[in-house]
Amino acid sequence: GAVVSQHPSRVICKSGTSVKIECRSLDFQATTMFWYRQFPKQSLMLMATSNEGSKATYEQGVEKDKFLINHASLTLSTLTVTSAHPEDSSFYICSALHGVTNNEQFFGPGTRLTVL
Amino acid sequence: AQTVTQSQPEMSVQEAETVTLSCTYDTSENNYYLFWYKQPPSRQMILVIRQEAYKQQNATENRFSVNFQKAAKSFSLKISDSQLGDTAMYFCAFMKPSNNDMRFGAGTRLTVKP
Repeated sequence: GAVVSQHPSRVICKSGTSVKIECRSLDFQATTMFWYRQFPKQSLMLMATSNEGSKATYEQGVEKDKFLINHASLTLSTLTVTSAHPEDSSFYICSALHGVTNNEQFFGPGTRLTVL
Repeated sequence: AQTVTQSQPEMSVQEAETVTLSCTYDTSENNYYLFWYKQPPSRQMILVIRQEAYKQQNATENRFSVNFQKAAKSFSLKISDSQLGDTAMYFCAFMKPSNNDMRFGAGTRLTVKP
């Protein structure tokens, strides 16, 4: 089946630093990937849509200068949280769109970010 | 904008019994996809079942089936012969094929009791 990985699975950083999260589709090519944020006991909220070779599309209220997205290849998208603050602490989940399987999104295992 | 509503924050069911999770949505689209995802404590999102809006037949996957009522914009999930491993958060989701945006409901926490 289609597998999506995320790295790292957990990261703790100091306030003011930047953190990069990688999302990879391991056995298929994904022209489109998505980044979600999930607060404890809440649902997944779409942050942005990442398209290979073009700029990401951000949801309303998501700061594009704070959450930098780069989709440099058909198997890799990265999310960089710049100048992280404690309120950025959350669970970040990516998904990759598998065009062959009728537009199904395959989800990564998530990254837990804790900003001290 | 599409909205997805799950009105049951928590539910419980005895092992081997049947439970139904409700989901309603609001859209002006005629063509779309609906999904139920399971999120166990590991937080990995697992697809349970999907339904294409143009298909009248309700989707079924082993013990999982849906009752899709397009006119009522309702998409409930029935879990038969509940197992302890079914304990998880369940999210209903809506996706427009035009841009593949997926919107999730607030989730229902299901507990299967032995």
